[in-house]
Amino acid sequence: NAGVMQNPRHLVRRRGQEARLRCSPVKGHSHVYWYRQLPEEGLKFMVYLQKENIIDESGMPKERFSAEFPKEGPSILRIQQVVRGDSAAYFCASSPIQNNEKLFFGSGTQLSVL
Amino acid sequence: ELKVEQNPLFLSMQEGKNYTIYCNYSTTSDRLYWYRQDPGKSLESLFVLLSNGAVKQEGRLMASLDTKARLSTLHITAAVHDLSATYFCAVDTQGGSEKLVFGKGTKLTVNP
Repeated sequence: NAGVMQNPRHLVRRRGQEARLRCSPVKGHSHVYWYRQLPEEGLKFMVYLQKENIIDESGMPKERFSAEFPKEGPSILRIQQVVRGDSAAYFCASSPIQNNEKLFFGSGTQLSVL
Repeated sequence: ELKVEQNPLFLSMQEGKNYTIYCNYSTTSDRLYWYRQDPGKSLESLFVLLSNGAVKQEGRLMASLDTKARLSTLHITAAVHDLSATYFCAVDTQGGSEKLVFGKGTKLTVNP
């Protein structure tokens, strides 16, 4: 019974390239959250998706960032034209219902922008 | 806007000692979570506190919630080296997407 799987674990990109971060939720979980963690900071909410729908994207930068959670396959967080300030750890979390008591976090993707 | 403040941010203590980490938050909420994070790892859920006066204990850690004071504490009893990690509290925004707002974390180092 696998937990939340994120890949890659580490991703290195040069400025201007695209970054695609993948998150496979726990089997049966239809609610996915993405959080970003900057060094020495707590996690900050980015987006909440529920199968094929974006429910809340209030934490997402207005430009260059997008997220999806298709009917089949993992959730994807996409960052276009990355800049150095995008360097951070990106965590995905999933839940079977809209309730943080049942939330499980993945191991994160560490994005480094050169 | 909900704000969550933890203190201290850094804590170095000797094995065997006791200490308390504090988590204050700015708006009404009765759901608070404590997580542990080891370096390079994900967040491990420690405690879920769901009502005023809730107290939960697991091993050398005990967490409590006072919703009237908007304060939660994480008490460490007779610390051991294995407790070295970063501890985060997080508060539910409640309603809507129920996203979590995290504190900055307390980096705990337990020295032999």
